[in-house]
Amino acid sequence: DTGVSQDPRHKITKRGQNVTFRCDPISEHNRLYWYRQTLGQGPEFLTYFQNEAQLEKSRLLSDRFSAERPKGSFSTLEIQRTEQGDSAMYLCASSLNQGSEKLFFGSGTQLSVL
Amino acid sequence: QQQVKQSPQSLIVQKGGISIINCAYENTAFDYFPWYQQFPGKGPALLIAIRPDVSEKKEGRFTISFNKSAKQFSLHIMDSQPGDSATYFCAASGGGGFKTIFGAGTRLFVKA
Repeated sequence: DTGVSQDPRHKITKRGQNVTFRCDPISEHNRLYWYRQTLGQGPEFLTYFQNEAQLEKSRLLSDRFSAERPKGSFSTLEIQRTEQGDSAMYLCASSLNQGSEKLFFGSGTQLSVL
Repeated sequence: QQQVKQSPQSLIVQKGGISIINCAYENTAFDYFPWYQQFPGKGPALLIAIRPDVSEKKEGRFTISFNKSAKQFSLHIMDSQPGDSATYFCAASGGGGFKTIFGAGTRLFVKA
């Protein structure tokens, strides 16, 4: 169990640029989640994968955000045409397939949009 | 859409004291209520969790009290230590949905 890995840890970009983050879940975990966390707030749900299928996406999520999980392994989260309001910590979490709601979080990617 | 409300926002406790954090939820379909602990620069980590069929769960110095009729639950940290200084999040999940909904967090500082 090597834990959930996220890359990069920090990303600084200029407004209007595209960014992509990667998440490697715990190997036997079928479920993968993306959350966003701003300072002083709890994690906010963005999207959820069961294996390679994206089963739920937050209604608050802009069309500029897209996530993939090819082959049900690692996942990527892309933000197009970044805005200053996108600055946040992007957290990835994974969990076992059934009977366990326990989330294992990575250390996150801190995005700063200038 | 905040379905889980947490209080207080911040808490200062003397070493050896009891820390109490409260949480209220709205969706009666929730059936799993975890507490997560987060240190700066790290992702949240599960501390303890409870299901609504029991009113209390204890693990070491950490206890969850659950009141189903009031739709409230709380975390009690006994004999609080400086190493407990962190941000604590209550959360809820279930009811046929896949996502976990988090409260806004409580920043706990334990004074030595």
